[in-house]
Amino acid sequence: AAGVIQSPRHLIKEKRETATLKCYPIPRHDTVYWYQQGPGQDPQFLISFYEKMQSDKGSIPDRFSAQQFSDYHSELNMSSLELGDSALYFCASSQGQGRIETGELFFGEGSRLTVL
Amino acid sequence: GDSVTQMEGPVTLSEEAFLTINCTYTATGYPSLFWYVQYPGEGLQLLLKATKADDKGSNKGFEATYRKETTSFHLEKGSVQVSDSAVYFCALTRYNFNKFYFGSGTKLNVKP
Repeated sequence: AAGVIQSPRHLIKEKRETATLKCYPIPRHDTVYWYQQGPGQDPQFLISFYEKMQSDKGSIPDRFSAQQFSDYHSELNMSSLELGDSALYFCASSQGQGRIETGELFFGEGSRLTVL
Repeated sequence: GDSVTQMEGPVTLSEEAFLTINCTYTATGYPSLFWYVQYPGEGLQLLLKATKADDKGSNKGFEATYRKETTSFHLEKGSVQVSDSAVYFCALTRYNFNKFYFGSGTKLNVKP
């Protein structure tokens, strides 16, 4: 079965550079979530999109932006990178805003960003 | 606000031992509760879920019962295997809500 695809899997950047992560949700999933997981930490919610509109916002820095496109894939853009941005970035998708009927997020394998 | 608290790890057990990982939650209304598992280098995978009080979620020998009176959703397994070594996350969401809240994760190490 098709899963959530994230690219790139690994990314190394210098401080103050820009990075873009991509997420391709499971077909027919209309909601995409971005999470940031620092070393040894739990996933922190960044932002979510439903039907190409931002549906909720968490602890996403102003230096970050994201959008969902007409084919439902999403991109997370990170600018002026800082050392503390080094983390595993997960994308997850669901159908219908993770409603109770499905109640499940399907996660990608993550994109590991290292800022030097 | 909504939150999930789970026991700190790491938890180290011998193969075939009994496992309990505690999880308690704070939420408005009636949340749905989940356990996700993360194997090394991989994304989170849904292990089991329960959507209303007294429901029991089960999968791969793991079980958890939604206890509204104690606001708990403890994960149990009667006999763990080395292959169960992973990080386990308790999580919640509320009906028609847009995000999930995760606990801090509990690392399980199972020794042969």
